[in-house]
Amino acid sequence: GNSVTQMEGPVTLSEEAFLTINCTYTATGYPSLFWYVQYPGEGLQLLLKATKADDKGSNKGFEATYRKETTSFHLEKGSVQVSDSAVYFCALYYNQGGKLIFGQGTELSVKP
Amino acid sequence: DTEVTQTPKHLVMGMTNKKSLKCEQHMGHRAMYWYKQKAKKPPELMFVYSYEKLSINESVPSRFSPECPNSSLLNLHLHALQPEDSALYLCASSRRLAGTSTDTQYFGPGTRLTVL
Repeated sequence: GNSVTQMEGPVTLSEEAFLTINCTYTATGYPSLFWYVQYPGEGLQLLLKATKADDKGSNKGFEATYRKETTSFHLEKGSVQVSDSAVYFCALYYNQGGKLIFGQGTELSVKP
Repeated sequence: DTEVTQTPKHLVMGMTNKKSLKCEQHMGHRAMYWYKQKAKKPPELMFVYSYEKLSINESVPSRFSPECPNSSLLNLHLHALQPEDSALYLCASSRRLAGTSTDTQYFGPGTRLTVL
């Protein structure tokens, strides 16, 4: 079936460090891929997305590239800030089911 | 504008109460969703309305009753809930264009529900 696997957290980084959160997926067909971010006490915000292989999504300094050959969609940011502290969810959407499949989430904590 | 609004922000209810959660979007989206989220877990899909018709019910207990009065509004009626139903309830919407292979869901801020 379709599934998403994220690296386990929590991830703790110092401000201005480089961030990578790994995300791999299993899917039939050609899903769309998403990263959502959830700040403490809030709902989910769409961070970025990619709809086909080799697409790169980017927003607020975050980037992720849809790699079909490795079935991955890793999230990266060159220099994290304290304000990036949140839970990050990788997700896939496949049209047949009309559903969004989430990974387990990765909690990021950035220290000053 | 990609705003989905939800009311109330917080709700405390007893096991015998009846209450409703409300969700609204004015983006012209034709699909709306209810999710339940426990702390530090991903959202779990409960219901999907597509073009104002219930298209997915993920075997949710009947004490949760969804309603879609029109294309902009989505309600979740609650009755005889249990303490384990305490969670963050998230609403989302998407365009759901026919003939496309992708769809992006936009989430509201959620209602934090506590059942005593």
